[in-house]
Amino acid sequence: AQSVSQHNHHVILSEAASLELGCNYSYGGTVNLFWYVQYPGQHLQLLLKYFSGDPLVKGIKGFEAEFIKSKFSFNLRKPSVQWSDTAEYFCAVRGTGGSYIPTFGRGTSLIVHP
Amino acid sequence: DAGVTQSPTHLIKTRGQQVTLRCSPKSGHDTVSWYQQALGQGPQFIFQYYEEEERQRGNFPDRFSGHQFPNYSSELNVNALLLGDSALYLCASSMQETQYFGPGTRLLVL
Repeated sequence: AQSVSQHNHHVILSEAASLELGCNYSYGGTVNLFWYVQYPGQHLQLLLKYFSGDPLVKGIKGFEAEFIKSKFSFNLRKPSVQWSDTAEYFCAVRGTGGSYIPTFGRGTSLIVHP
Repeated sequence: DAGVTQSPTHLIKTRGQQVTLRCSPKSGHDTVSWYQQALGQGPQFIFQYYEEEERQRGNFPDRFSGHQFPNYSSELNVNALLLGDSALYLCASSMQETQYFGPGTRLLVL
């Protein structure tokens, strides 16, 4: 069975600060990894995904994530956050053994002060 | 191109009642998955429909059932509602590997 752990449940930053949200997963095989964002009052949107290849993945709105296989991690980063980045961020993992069902972490609530 | 749509947006029911939630997938998508998102939690997988059959199921009781129609739209039915069923119910559609989520139906059970 696969599982996902997001260590930071609540993060508060000022605009222009750098962001790093942690995500660790547990799974014994090859994985696909995702970060989703849920802005207030909006639906879940895909920020970025990793399937294979370059472990540094760039997504929308200046976000990037790095897959470190040895650490079972897929941390999300952004060098300079904006007030509009205030949202819930969810990491998800999916084993590649035929199931297309991702397992989600419990999420990180990010508040960016202007 | 319309994305994933869900109806209704909000719903209030009482314990013991039954509820039906609806989902229309993104154009061209043939697979629909349903998730339950409790407050402060990530989405939990309920089940997935493909070619009008339940293909996979998460750890949810039989009170949760579903259906997929020939046009790929889907329904989620929950019988004998419990207070703990209060949550945001998300529908996601996909063609192959990436899921696209709808806005959800917020269900409150009193």
